[in-house]
Amino acid sequence: QQQVKQSPQSLIVQKGGISIINCAYENTAFDYFPWYQQFPGKGPALLIAIRPDVSEKKEGRFTISFNKSAKQFSLHIMDSQPGDSATYFCAASKKGAQKLVFGQGTRLTINP
Amino acid sequence: DTAVSQTPKYLVTQMGNDKSIKCEQNLGHDTMYWYKQDSKKFLKIMFSYNNKELIINETVPNRFSPKSPDKAHLNLHINSLELGDSAVYFCASSQLGQRDTIYFGEGSWLTVV
Repeated sequence: QQQVKQSPQSLIVQKGGISIINCAYENTAFDYFPWYQQFPGKGPALLIAIRPDVSEKKEGRFTISFNKSAKQFSLHIMDSQPGDSATYFCAASKKGAQKLVFGQGTRLTINP
Repeated sequence: DTAVSQTPKYLVTQMGNDKSIKCEQNLGHDTMYWYKQDSKKFLKIMFSYNNKELIINETVPNRFSPKSPDKAHLNLHINSLELGDSAVYFCASSQLGQRDTIYFGEGSWLTVV
């Protein structure tokens, strides 16, 4: 079963716009929610992560919003730039576990 | 200096062959992983080792055998390759208990023909 569901599969945003990618999870034992960015031909790289004791985390143009009761979290990219074009993965893991469970990925394209 | 390096980067081989992918990390981490990314880009963990001990073994055919000679190396050997094994295999490493230190290599593209 898909423990972390991600949407949309693909997203096209104009330069300067806001990109929003959503994830939903099922397992309430998850306590760590990272977002990874993957460029073609490269491995995923950690972008930003949140734990469920906060509802929002911001790092530069990237913000994670977390809704514990709805079991949802989302990535917002403000002032999106062509260099942000990549595939984004949400993930989750349980306390004490090293294993990451990934969403299906979102291919983001920022048009100049 | 590459933190997590995998070889080979590309591998094309015939069904039924046996092949290995090697991984080395120079981050001083004590935990290493193999993840598989399929043609739809879905990423799933296969194995994890901590200080040469197997700690995660997902439901993976036993044709796949990981080996960790020391904590800086984790190799993946695949016997009797099948078409469905075609994927990108990512090695990763981290410090145990520090999930925000998980660092991925650039991947090994395996194509079985």
